[in-house]
Amino acid sequence: EPEVTQTPSHQVTQMGQEVILRCVPISNHLYFYWYRQILGQKVEFLVSFYNNEISEKSEIFDDQFSVERPDGSNFTLKIRSTKLEDSAMYFCASDNRGRYTGELFFGEGSRLTVL
Amino acid sequence: DAKTTQPNSMESNEEEPVHLPCNHSTISGTDYIHWYRQLPSQGPEYVIHGLTSNVNNRMASLAIAEDRKSSTLILHRATLRDAAVYYCILREKRQGGSEKLVFGKGMKLTVNP
Repeated sequence: EPEVTQTPSHQVTQMGQEVILRCVPISNHLYFYWYRQILGQKVEFLVSFYNNEISEKSEIFDDQFSVERPDGSNFTLKIRSTKLEDSAMYFCASDNRGRYTGELFFGEGSRLTVL
Repeated sequence: DAKTTQPNSMESNEEEPVHLPCNHSTISGTDYIHWYRQLPSQGPEYVIHGLTSNVNNRMASLAIAEDRKSSTLILHRATLRDAAVYYCILREKRQGGSEKLVFGKGMKLTVNP
């Protein structure tokens, strides 16, 4: 069964450092998302991406965040200067609206710890 | 985004059916009812979705009230692996554009052996 893969599974970084989280969405999918979940809290939408541009973003997704699809397979989330409050699980997701099944496929997540 | 209301938690016994309720009294005509679940330390996982008619798939059944203001996710035989947080989410189907999911707190299902 196709799956969304994310790397790294866990990253520890110092406050102020740049972090890039990587995702490989399912190959024929067209819509890509990043969500985050702070420990013990809700899963929160960050950003959606379609046709090489951001289609929607939340208030959380400020200027410190950026997304990119550099090579047609990877989908990355960059945090320019990490803060303590960026510590969370980050989930990538994808779906294919061309064959709308209603199903959003999520990866296993990347745990980011900011010290 | 239209909101849903779920109990904070439920308990069930292994191999028995479980009915997980969800209220969505402000649902609009274009909202689909989606259910996802999140097992411990994993990403959310799609369970089922529907619009007006009841739906069945290999994982579960979804019973939707006639007025669409509530729905029930039915696990026909709960297993220990079904212990998770279950999210009932309304998702607007639009022509083009993102259809983000807005997660609430969900409902924690505990399955007793």
